[in-house]
Amino acid sequence: DAKTTQPPSMDCAEGRAANLPCNHSTISGNEYVYWYRQIHSQGPQYIIHGLKNNETNEMASLIITEDRKSSTLILPHATLRDTAVYYCIVRASGSARQLTFGSGTQLTVLP
Amino acid sequence: GAVVSQHPSRVICKSGTSVKIECRSLDFQATTMFWYRQFPKQSLMLMATSNEGSKATYEQGVEKDKFLINHASLTLSTLTVTSAHPEDSSFYICSARSGQGAQSEQYFGPGTRLTVT
Repeated sequence: DAKTTQPPSMDCAEGRAANLPCNHSTISGNEYVYWYRQIHSQGPQYIIHGLKNNETNEMASLIITEDRKSSTLILPHATLRDTAVYYCIVRASGSARQLTFGSGTQLTVLP
Repeated sequence: GAVVSQHPSRVICKSGTSVKIECRSLDFQATTMFWYRQFPKQSLMLMATSNEGSKATYEQGVEKDKFLINHASLTLSTLTVTSAHPEDSSFYICSARSGQGAQSEQYFGPGTRLTVT
């Protein structure tokens, strides 16, 4: 599975959009981009995933560049409860392998 | 989304004793379950992968005789930490996978905080 690179930490003001970047320059054509988050002392929570089209659900939007070498997770109106470590993970379709977690981005939403 | 539960949520045990952690998929059948371990300020590290009815596959450096995994049904996997030592104190997280392929999702339990005194 392709490696991902994320900034170690970011701050965001409450009510503002949080834009979390992820680089995956070695991504292959059959690899999906997944986003999970982990609130302190809890298990990871699935947020969203996509292949090449932008995706949106009730939690977030995922913007994938045309060359698929990077993506951005957008939380449109961040709240204090969105403070967590956000993980960007790339995994091949049809893979039976587990999700492999990098170090992620610690997002802190400030009041 | 699908729900994965773990029990207990936290446990304190004495050095040398064994501890069993249960992981259940509540509303789906999980052919594959994963066990992760997370030390403070670190990311999740995979310990082992288990498929229902077969032996678990352990990651390099994880002692299979110390961390016993049983995946007896499609909704239950257990991790037993045998002869626990203080260095085994950690946050243990299970994960269950529904379906196959990239469209399948991997759902995580809430974790179990193990403290060995």
